[in-house]
Amino acid sequence: EVQLVQSGAEVKKPGESLKISCKSSGYSFPSYWIAWVRQMPGKGLEWLGIISPGDSETIYSPSFEGQVTISADKSISTAYLQWNSLKASDTAMYYCARLERREYYFDYWGQGTLVSVSS
Amino acid sequence: DIQMTQSPSSLSASIGNRITITCRASQSITKYLNWYQQKPGQAPKVLIYAASSLQSGVPSRFSGSGSGTDFTLTISSLQPEDYATYFCQQGYSPPYTFGQGTKLEIK
Repeated sequence: EVQLVQSGAEVKKPGESLKISCKSSGYSFPSYWIAWVRQMPGKGLEWLGIISPGDSETIYSPSFEGQVTISADKSISTAYLQWNSLKASDTAMYYCARLERREYYFDYWGQGTLVSVSS
Repeated sequence: DIQMTQSPSSLSASIGNRITITCRASQSITKYLNWYQQKPGQAPKVLIYAASSLQSGVPSRFSGSGSGTDFTLTISSLQPEDYATYFCQQGYSPPYTFGQGTKLEIK
């Protein structure tokens, strides 16, 4: 059974750093791209970027390039989303999702990680 | 970036009604248009991929059509569990942008 399990909710202060994780199981982790998607409170879905765990090739949305870092460790089948300096506007739910590789849709999703940033 | 525009942004309909949501891309995305359903407190779930292919396990009252720039999601007979927010998403080229969503509410 394919599963993407994300790390737990985080409460942080502005300026702090953070790395959240998405652990995959039930399939060949290097073979499928993993994306990160943001959902701000009461808002829609925004695509942050995507990584190929096999070779760590990464593509960022221009809106988020330089704001976050996406990485992966194929030895432990885990993808990461990282911030060096959080802002209050980073407060959101963050989802990881697996990209189906023939028709380019997100077939499996993590349960989400809620990130709250407040002074 | 390819912009995805959904309409309407909200919709009120009764059980048993047929409803249609549209999604327009800012350039041709051929068949690479996907539809997701999201219920409160849950991750999105794919309903339709490649414009018209029904994801395994999704009821047949859901259908999709279109190609190029214009696409539709149709629910043939609304059921209570269909009240949710629906998003389109293009898989043609990264960034794989989403539409802004359509909130479907009970009338």
